[in-house]
Amino acid sequence: DIQMTQSPASLSASLGETVTIECLASEDIYDILAWYQQKPGKSPQLLIYDASSLHTGVPSRFSGSGSGTQYSLKINSLQPEDFASYYCQNGLSAPLTFGSGTKLEIK
Amino acid sequence: EVQLQESGPGLVKPSQSLSLTCSVTGYSITSNYWGWIRKFPGNKMEWMGYISYSGSTSYNPSLKSRISITRDTSKNQFFLQLNSVTTEDTATYYCARRRVFDYWGQGVMVTVSS
Repeated sequence: DIQMTQSPASLSASLGETVTIECLASEDIYDILAWYQQKPGKSPQLLIYDASSLHTGVPSRFSGSGSGTQYSLKINSLQPEDFASYYCQNGLSAPLTFGSGTKLEIK
Repeated sequence: EVQLQESGPGLVKPSQSLSLTCSVTGYSITSNYWGWIRKFPGNKMEWMGYISYSGSTSYNPSLKSRISITRDTSKNQFFLQLNSVTTEDTATYYCARRRVFDYWGQGVMVTVSS
């Protein structure tokens, strides 16, 4: 199984700040990497697919980058609605696996 | 618009089977992949398996022989059955489209308890 190591587990930031979340795969996943946002009581929402492609309707302040085994999600100019949990996901091979999540809280 | 909705009992007794339905509107399940994912208390997410456009399936080995995903194309629904549940199967269960999940159901919380 491909293990996804996500960091940090939690992050505290202020409105307008820029934050970065990292995800490390245990082997090369050839950019088949997705990022999701989840708010309490809601289902996860796809933000980024193929490591850097923005899903339809996702604000441009979200961006993804990386290759091979190392990937990151960057959120520019934090807005109130961005405070949520974020997960990365290996989409390359079954079993599809998720990172452990990052909870982004307002400072 | 693609919409998915899970349904099923919210409480299952240990050793029994958990059965959920995902009803899809706005897109045919004879195209693409359709999966089940669960989120445990404590926030760990686990992919359980999927059924493909052709009806083939792929399961998480961690669930071994306990899981079955089937479909009814006439109703545009697919189903999850998880046998011999324990309290460790308590989670929120989601259905979703594709291998990178672009559409999700709203989720159904299932508690395993006697």
